[in-house]
Amino acid sequence: KAGVTQTPRYLIKTRGQQVTLSCSPISGHRSVSWYQQTPGQGLQFLFEYFSETQRNKGNFPGRFSGRQFSNSRSEMNVSTLELGDSALYLCASSSHSYGYTFGSGTRLTVV
Amino acid sequence: GENVEQHPSTLSVQEGDSAVIKCTYSDSASNYFPWYKQELGKGPQLIIDIRSNVGEKKDQRIAVTLNKTAKHFSLHITETQPEDSAVYFCAASIGAGGTSYGKLTFGQGTILTVHP
Repeated sequence: KAGVTQTPRYLIKTRGQQVTLSCSPISGHRSVSWYQQTPGQGLQFLFEYFSETQRNKGNFPGRFSGRQFSNSRSEMNVSTLELGDSALYLCASSSHSYGYTFGSGTRLTVV
Repeated sequence: GENVEQHPSTLSVQEGDSAVIKCTYSDSASNYFPWYKQELGKGPQLIIDIRSNVGEKKDQRIAVTLNKTAKHFSLHITETQPEDSAVYFCAASIGAGGTSYGKLTFGQGTILTVHP
């Protein structure tokens, strides 16, 4: 079956702009989590959605937000981009809070 | 919150040797411990996982052991091959429930290099 699909794969934005990243989970998976991966901080949890509800949130500023649609697809938004937001953003899906499958990520560069 | 320490940060072995990566966690409530392999340009791939009611799990050349008392778990790869070269991450989770939904706390990663 198809894996987790993230779009776009690469993105270059200017400081102060906002960006929206998209994630399509594996069919039937209702839990979608987002992570930020950087060389310095590693993999850090952003938030998790299940049935259109945010159930958990990591320690990121309010500029980072997300949502989930009725078909379980999810988006995350970062407003007022900063240079430090440059990272690989990963989405993962699961049917039962275990065995999360990750997508290939969106590489965001802020200039 | 949960903290996961992973060692070593780099590991270099000869093809056919075994490789062991160790992780410790801080939250005794954690009960789910997955291992991920990440190759260049790709997202992490789940290679094996273990839950706290099991002490050891094996899948072909890969095995994971868990010591809940000591709060540590390890990944063992036997008969290593060059295609095993990648970054490996351990993670810990409380699984479903409470404020832990969907949250994996990752170790800092181990760069494994297998020399032919």
